[in-house]
Parts: sequence; structure tokens; C-alpha cells
Amino acid sequence: GAVVSQHPSRVICKSGTSVKIECRSLDFQATTMFWYRQFPKQSLMLMATSNEGSKATYEQGVEKDKFLINHASLTLSTLTVTSAHPEDSSFYICSAFSQGVNNEQYFGPGTRLTVT
Amino acid sequence: GDSVTQMEGPVTLSEEAFLTINCTYTATGYPSLFWYVQYPGEGLQLLLKATKADDKGSNKGFEATYRKETTSFHLEKGSVQVSDSAVYFCALSDPWNSGGYQKVTFGTGTKLQVIP
Repeated sequence: GAVVSQHPSRVICKSGTSVKIECRSLDFQATTMFWYRQFPKQSLMLMATSNEGSKATYEQGVEKDKFLINHASLTLSTLTVTSAHPEDSSFYICSAFSQGVNNEQYFGPGTRLTVT
Repeated sequence: GDSVTQMEGPVTLSEEAFLTINCTYTATGYPSLFWYVQYPGEGLQLLLKATKADDKGSNKGFEATYRKETTSFHLEKGSVQVSDSAVYFCALSDPWNSGGYQKVTFGTGTKLQVIP
């Protein structure tokens, strides 16, 4: 149980275009979802926290207009990278949390974004 | 703020060798401590956790003890296998310092390579 999926697993896009990444909790309802960014050989950096039906809370230094987060339901959150640039290329990981599910965050498999 | 420091890798061991990956933390409250594992091309999986001082987390032959006096949570395994090759992240969650959210602060990760 407690499976989180992400789609797509890999995406290549051209500079200036927008890309949407989906995060789904498959077998539980997630009250909170988190989006992380992982740079090569570095740790995960929390980008934002989102609760279903409300605006996401962004970490300091993360551009909210560039990284649009929508948490439309208890099982789906989306991250849209708008007007992508090569420096946005990274590994994006989501996680889902529900107090009724072991009080743990469950992580998705990640999405590799490459902007050319 | 909260921080996690873990030993730099990569760590290369022969099969059946003893493993230690050091981890120390800084937190203002009473954090829970975690070890996550990331296998190649996959997302993070929770390996083990400890929620209070002197607790020992264990799973799949790995163990770590929450040492408040030394603010440490070192990961150990008595006999590693090739299948243990992965990146290991030490992490903490401090609800006192994160507004009640389950925000997780990660270390930089340690890559382990086990050779036959």
C-alpha cells in the first residue's frame, strides 16, 4: 500500500515551453503533497508544500509564478514548469502525506526534466 | 534552522563487509530521524526511522540508533550485499520547527557501491 506515482518519468522540452508533471497517490488520500527538486549529486530541496483545495506554500527562493502547483484533489497534485529554461533541468520528486497512513511521507519515483 | 550532515561518498565495499554511514543533525526541537534509500532510477523509499532518543530503527539488516547526546543517527549493516548498492539519505522531520507540517530535511546522500 501507500503508492505514489509520477507522470511522466522523463520529459524533454524546448526552451520557452511549459511542462506539466503529475503526482498521484494511488491507494490513499493525501492531505498534503510536497514537491522536491534534486540536483545531480545533491540532496533533495523542498520547493513547495500543497494542501488539497488551497494555495501551495513555496519555500524561500522558489518562484511561484514559474513553478505552478495545483492540488485539485486528495489524490492528485500537478507541478507546471512555465517558460522552461535549461537551468530548470533537474529531477523532480513528489511525496504524499496523510496522517492516517503511518504519519509518513511516501515518495514518487521522480520525473527527469531536460530542457534543450 | 534544521540541518543534516552525512558523510560524503561514494563508499565502495566488498560483499559481506561491514557498513557504517555517519549522520549528524541540528534541530531546535525533538525531531524524528529517518534513513531513506534511492535505488538507481527510482524514487526514495523509507528504510528505517526513529522517533525519540535511544530508539533503534531497523529494517532489512540495517539499523540506526537515535543518539541525542551526540546528535547522531549512524546507519550500520553487518554484511552488505550487491543489492544494497544505492544512495542513502539521512533525514529529519521536526514538527516544532516546521509549523506542524511533516517537512523533511535531507542530508546530501551517500552513494554505496557493493562489489562482488
